[in-house]
Amino acid sequence: GIQVEQSPPDLILQEGANSTLRCNFSDSVNNLQWFHQNPWGQLINLFYIPSGTKQNGRLSATTVATERYSLLYISSSQTTDSGVYFCAAALGGANSKLTFGKGITLSVRP
Amino acid sequence: EAQVTQNPRYLITVTGKKLTVTCSQNMNHEYMSWYRQDPGLGLRQIYYSMNVEVTDKGDVPEGYKVSRKEKRNFPLILESPSPNQTSLYFCASKRGQGSGNTIYFGEGSWLTVV
Repeated sequence: GIQVEQSPPDLILQEGANSTLRCNFSDSVNNLQWFHQNPWGQLINLFYIPSGTKQNGRLSATTVATERYSLLYISSSQTTDSGVYFCAAALGGANSKLTFGKGITLSVRP
Repeated sequence: EAQVTQNPRYLITVTGKKLTVTCSQNMNHEYMSWYRQDPGLGLRQIYYSMNVEVTDKGDVPEGYKVSRKEKRNFPLILESPSPNQTSLYFCASKRGQGSGNTIYFGEGSWLTVV
């Protein structure tokens, strides 16, 4: 199956700083999503981005499908951005199973 | 508002006592799925359903059952829960079949089996 690797595993930022989170995947994908898991365990959809670039407020994401990586950018970070960020990918096929990376734990300090 | 709703959100139960975690989506999605999340193992798929009356096993189906009698509902059944089923469970849904389109997740159900 597909392999999804995220880096760095942990990230500590001062409030207001910018950051880039990386996701590498091992195969061509039909689905690539970024999630934020908050301290209550909820998985928040950030982006559906199998290719191209999207922006939503202070967050943006870029996926270069031909090179099999995706980047999540967080600008002007806030303490509420803390949590675990997951990248997940799915291959083509009937089962839309997402394979998740191990996550990146982000701590934003005031 | 587009939602995937799971209940209960939190449950402590005893070994062997049958329980059902309900999942309902209001987006008329064909595809639904269950995942469990465990420390060090990440999220793993338990079962999925591509449409009404069509279900299939994911990566970790042992100890679970599902049914899909209506499009909007996809309950997860633990016939005889054991402590190794203590986990955080997520229901998910998606429009259509195949892996395109955004997958939406419920808020999660924390299950503890003692």
